[in-house]
Amino acid sequence: EAGVTQFPSHSVIEKGQTVTLRCDPISGHDNLYWYRRVMGKEIKFLLHFVKESKQDESGMPNNRFLAERTGGTYSTLKVQPAELEDSGVYFCASSFATGVYEQYFGPGTRLTVT
Amino acid sequence: TQLLEQSPQFLSIQEGENLTVYCNSSSVFSSLQWYRQEPGEGPVLLVTVVTGGEVKKLKRLTFQFGDARKDSSLHITAAQPGDTGLYLCVRHPRGGADGLTFGKGTHLIIQP
Repeated sequence: EAGVTQFPSHSVIEKGQTVTLRCDPISGHDNLYWYRRVMGKEIKFLLHFVKESKQDESGMPNNRFLAERTGGTYSTLKVQPAELEDSGVYFCASSFATGVYEQYFGPGTRLTVT
Repeated sequence: TQLLEQSPQFLSIQEGENLTVYCNSSSVFSSLQWYRQEPGEGPVLLVTVVTGGEVKKLKRLTFQFGDARKDSSLHITAAQPGDTGLYLCVRHPRGGADGLTFGKGTHLIIQP
């Protein structure tokens, strides 16, 4: 069974440009999460989808970030326009259900904004 | 504010030695998880502890949850180079919000 996949693995963009990150969860997992680790800091929660609905987006830093999950399958996270402080590693995770269920993480997308 | 304090931040020891890393919080955990992350990969769940005083073993790894559910420790016996990685203490949220809260982690290097 395929795990959580993320694309691209690395992205280098200039300040002011737009970047779209993609996450494909494990098949059958209704719950999808985005997290981010900025250098020197801990991994922080961004938002949580249940199927195509945003269950909790309390961790989204500002309105330059837009997450979508059309059809309840894969998800995209768009940053527009990107700023230097957006650099970091963006992780996606999925789980079968909420509660104390294991979240399976993808390998992450390393975003560098120059 | 760092909700989860992990110590030490970095630890480098020789193969065969024993070690303990710690996770502390001023808040009570509803449940606590330990993850391990290797370079270029996402975190992978090792264990979940729920009950105060609970001890769980995973081969050479022993996880303990404090009686007051505010702290946890991970002890590795006879460390192997394959144990090298970033060990993350993670608080599982209570109620409907299911975003995990991570500590900064302990970077562990086991030298052959």
